[in-house]
Amino acid sequence: GQQVMQIPQYQHVQEGEDFTTYCNSSTTLSNIQWYKQRPGGHPVFLIQLVKSGEVKKQKRLTFQFGEAKKNSSLHITATQTTDVGTYFCAGRVGNTPLVFGKGTRLSVIA
Amino acid sequence: DAGVTQSPTHLIKTRGQQVTLRCSPKSGHDTVSWYQQALGQGPQFIFQYYEEEERQRGNFPDRFSGHQFPNYSSELNVNALLLGDSALYLCASSLGGRLYFGPGTRLTVT
Repeated sequence: GQQVMQIPQYQHVQEGEDFTTYCNSSTTLSNIQWYKQRPGGHPVFLIQLVKSGEVKKQKRLTFQFGEAKKNSSLHITATQTTDVGTYFCAGRVGNTPLVFGKGTRLSVIA
Repeated sequence: DAGVTQSPTHLIKTRGQQVTLRCSPKSGHDTVSWYQQALGQGPQFIFQYYEEEERQRGNFPDRFSGHQFPNYSSELNVNALLLGDSALYLCASSLGGRLYFGPGTRLTVT
């Protein structure tokens, strides 16, 4: 079945450093979504990418969808302590349910 | 406007027992999905309800069942609990493919 892999599993950065997490799918996706889960919280939607090669920005966050629609990345510029949490990508093929990756846990050292 | 609500917040059960978890979707949402999130893992899709019927199902045994009521609220039932069922159970309502997660129910099976 469809699988979504994320790397790295963990990332520790100094405050102010950049951070990137990568997502790869075993199949071509219709769309990909990104969610953030704070420690002890629940996943919160960040963004959805639909088009091949799409790039979207939200303040310090930049999201990319690969040309083949099988990979995606989230880049955070100049991390802050408020960025701490686990970032999940979730891919969908057609009308099938979203399949989540295992997430990348980000720690920010002040 | 209330978001997705779930009850109870925490639950401790013994192996072999049965449990019912409840969810009320965000106002205006008619589709409810349930996810299981084991510690350190991404959410795994259990099933989705729309118009009081199970529309899609993930790779979970028949011990997991659900129901959706006319007011769109939903229940997740798990029979014959196993230790491995210990997890955070997330309910999500959806609009336009985006998921709105509730705070979850933390189930511990001893």
